[in-house]
Amino acid sequence: EAGVAQSPRYKIIEKRQSVAFWCNPISGHATLYWYQQILGQGPKLLIQFQNNGVVDDSQLPKDRFSAERLKGVDSTLKIQPAKLEDSAVYLCASSTWGDSYEQYFGPGTRLTVT
Amino acid sequence: RKEVEQDPGPFNVPEGATVAFNCTYSNSASQSFFWYRQDCRKEPKLLMSVYSSGNEDGRFTAQLNKASQYVSLLIRDSQPSDSATYLCAVYTNAGKSTFGDGTTLTEKP
Repeated sequence: EAGVAQSPRYKIIEKRQSVAFWCNPISGHATLYWYQQILGQGPKLLIQFQNNGVVDDSQLPKDRFSAERLKGVDSTLKIQPAKLEDSAVYLCASSTWGDSYEQYFGPGTRLTVT
Repeated sequence: RKEVEQDPGPFNVPEGATVAFNCTYSNSASQSFFWYRQDCRKEPKLLMSVYSSGNEDGRFTAQLNKASQYVSLLIRDSQPSDSATYLCAVYTNAGKSTFGDGTTLTEKP
């Protein structure tokens, strides 16, 4: 079974530029998560989708971050404009919904903002 | 106060030792609990779910204490391959997930 796919794996941009990340979850997983993980910290939930609806985006900096999950499958996360403090690993995860919330993570995108 | 708190460590243990990690959570509506393992510069991987009756998988045992709002992970006969960061994840009944910052385990040679 294919795992969660993410691209790109690495990205270096200058501050004030924009960037987009893509995620394709495990087939059949209704729930998709985007996390930001800063070095030395745990994953911080940015947004959680169930199918193509948003379950939680309370920690998404909506003035610069946006995310969508069209057709309830793959998803994109965008940052515009980027700040230095956005340097982090952006992880996508997916899970089934309901009795089990076991999440499976993609390899992540390591973003460096200079 | 963070919703999910873990002792960051590092826990430096000799091979063969038993080590235990605790994770405390503040939201009493939390219903599902998991331990993940994260190796350096890798993504988190699910280690085990934590059931109300406890859960054992080989050398790993996870327990839940809802009254005191903590979950624990016990590793027996620790091996060098166990060196990693262990993340606790907590879910509310609405399916909202929160991760702790992790506890780092290092095997002493």
